[in-house]
Order: sequence, then structure tokens, then C-alpha cells
Amino acid sequence: GAVVSQHPSWVICKSGTSVKIECRSLDFQATTMFWYRQFPKQSLMLMATSNEGSKATYEQGVEKDKFLINHASLTLSTLTVTSAHPEDSSFYICSARDSTDPYNEQFFGPGTRLTVL
Amino acid sequence: AQRVTQPEKLLSVFKGAPVELKCNYSYSGSPELFWYVQYSRQRLQLLLRHISRESIKGFTADLNKGETSFHLKKPFAQEEDSAMYYCAPGNTGKLIFGQGTTLQVKP
Repeated sequence: GAVVSQHPSWVICKSGTSVKIECRSLDFQATTMFWYRQFPKQSLMLMATSNEGSKATYEQGVEKDKFLINHASLTLSTLTVTSAHPEDSSFYICSARDSTDPYNEQFFGPGTRLTVL
Repeated sequence: AQRVTQPEKLLSVFKGAPVELKCNYSYSGSPELFWYVQYSRQRLQLLLRHISRESIKGFTADLNKGETSFHLKKPFAQEEDSAMYYCAPGNTGKLIFGQGTTLQVKP
């Protein structure tokens, strides 16, 4: 089946620094990837839709200058949390759509745990 | 506004008992409907999607457009079904997730 990886799986950083999270589709091409945020014992909240070769589409209330998304190839999207603060600590999950799948199934990465001190 | 409601945070049943996880949605247009499952320490994965009308691991889901519901059912729960279940309507690939229901199947 289709596999999506994320790197790193966890990261601890100091307040004010920037952190980059990578999302890769390993065995399929993904023109569209999605970034979610999940707080403890809560659901996934869609942050943005990442489109290969174009600007990401952000959900209402998500700061695009805070969460920079780059989707430079058909297998890689990156999320950079800029000037991270403790309130940005969360579990970040990406998913990818297989460009050839007519059913729009999303394949999820394992997530990245971000802790900002 | 798009909204998904899974009214039960926790559903606890005994092995062999029937299970129904409820999902009601409010969504403009005709969304595609999915159920995703997350087993302990694993990533989210697709359980089933309405459009393909398939039964996975004994689970089925019936779409009721009048009630805008997409409840997930299984006639005989197994211990390995214990997991978090998310209902997710969507369109053009973009999904809205419900709050999730934890299913606990006791031996």
C-alpha cells in the first residue's frame, strides 16, 4: 500500500527557533498533501492544503507566516514552524493523496511530536 | 458550516456484541464519506469509504442522506477492533474529521 513518512518523528526546540517537518510519499506521487494538527485527546484539525508547484491553501485562523508550507516536488512537502513558542507544541500529521486515485483516499504519516520549551 | 458530530467519546462493549458508532454531518453539497481508524501507537488509516460500498474487517456503514448520518456498524465486535474511529466527510480530497470515538472491546 501507499506509504507516507514524516521526519523527524519528534523534535524539541527552544522558543524562538524555527522547526522544519518533512512529509514524503514513498511509493506514489502526490500533487496534494495536507497538514493537520492534533492536540491531546482531540481530533485532527486541518491546517492547510499543500499543492505541488503552487501556494498552499490555509484554513481559517491558521497563520500562513507562522506555518510555512513548501511543496516543491510530487513526493515532498515541508512544514516550517517559524519562531516557535510553547503554544505551538503539538502533534503534527501530514497526509497525501495519490494523484491517480479517483476516490480521494488520504494516506497518513506517523506524525511529528513538537515540543517547544 | 461544515461539521461532523460523533456523539460518543467512548463506546465500551463486550466481545461478540454488536457495535454502532454514530456519525452525523452537516456539509454543503454531496460529500464523499469515510471512516478512518487509529489503532494504538499506529498511524491513521482508512477503514472504509462510502463510494466503494465495501466491508472491511466486518464493518459496514450506511449513508442516510435524509438524516445526514453515516453510522459505522459491526455485528460482532472483536478485541482487536479496540481503537479510535473517526468519521470524515470531504470533497475534492479535503476532509473534516469528527472528534472521534474510542471503541473499547472487553474480553
